[in-house]
Amino acid sequence: GQQVMQIPQYQHVQEGEDFTTYCNSSTTLSNIQWYKQRPGGHPVFLIQLVKSGEVKKQKRLTFQFGEAKKNSSLHITATQTTDVGTYFCAGRAAGNKLTFGGGTRVLVKP
Amino acid sequence: DVKVTQSSRYLVKRTGEKVFLECVQDMDHENMFWYRQDPGLGLRLIYFSYDVKMKEKGDIPEGYSVSREKKERFSLILESASTNQTSMYLCASNGRTTWANVLTFGAGSRLTVL
Repeated sequence: GQQVMQIPQYQHVQEGEDFTTYCNSSTTLSNIQWYKQRPGGHPVFLIQLVKSGEVKKQKRLTFQFGEAKKNSSLHITATQTTDVGTYFCAGRAAGNKLTFGGGTRVLVKP
Repeated sequence: DVKVTQSSRYLVKRTGEKVFLECVQDMDHENMFWYRQDPGLGLRLIYFSYDVKMKEKGDIPEGYSVSREKKERFSLILESASTNQTSMYLCASNGRTTWANVLTFGAGSRLTVL
């Protein structure tokens, strides 16, 4: 079945630095979504990418969908303590079923 | 805002007990989902339902069953709990008209099986 791999599993970042988390699907996706889960919270939708090569920005967060629609990335610029949490990508190949990656847990060192 | 409510935040059960996890949504969503979340494994789909009395197996249905008798309520049942079912369980919903089929999650139910 469809698999979505996400790396790294953990990301320790110094406050103010940039980092990127990557998401790779075993199959071509119709779209990909990103969710953020704060510590003790539940996943909350951030963004959806649909088009090949699409790039979207939300303030310091930049999301990209690969040309082949099998991979995606999230880049965070000038990391802040509010960025702490686990970021999940979730790929949709067909229908309404989302397959989630394992998540990247982000820890920020002040 | 859509609200998805899970009845229990924390449960502790013994091996072999029957466990019910309840989920209620208040936005008339057709689709409801049960995921379990484990470190490093992300969210794995157990079962989902796209209508009352309808259910579909997800990726890891073994050891679980579900019930959807009313549109707003989706229950996850562990017939005989085992220690490997210790996990965080997340309920989610979306509707046919939900933009991008975005999932709205409940707060989660952390189950410990002793």
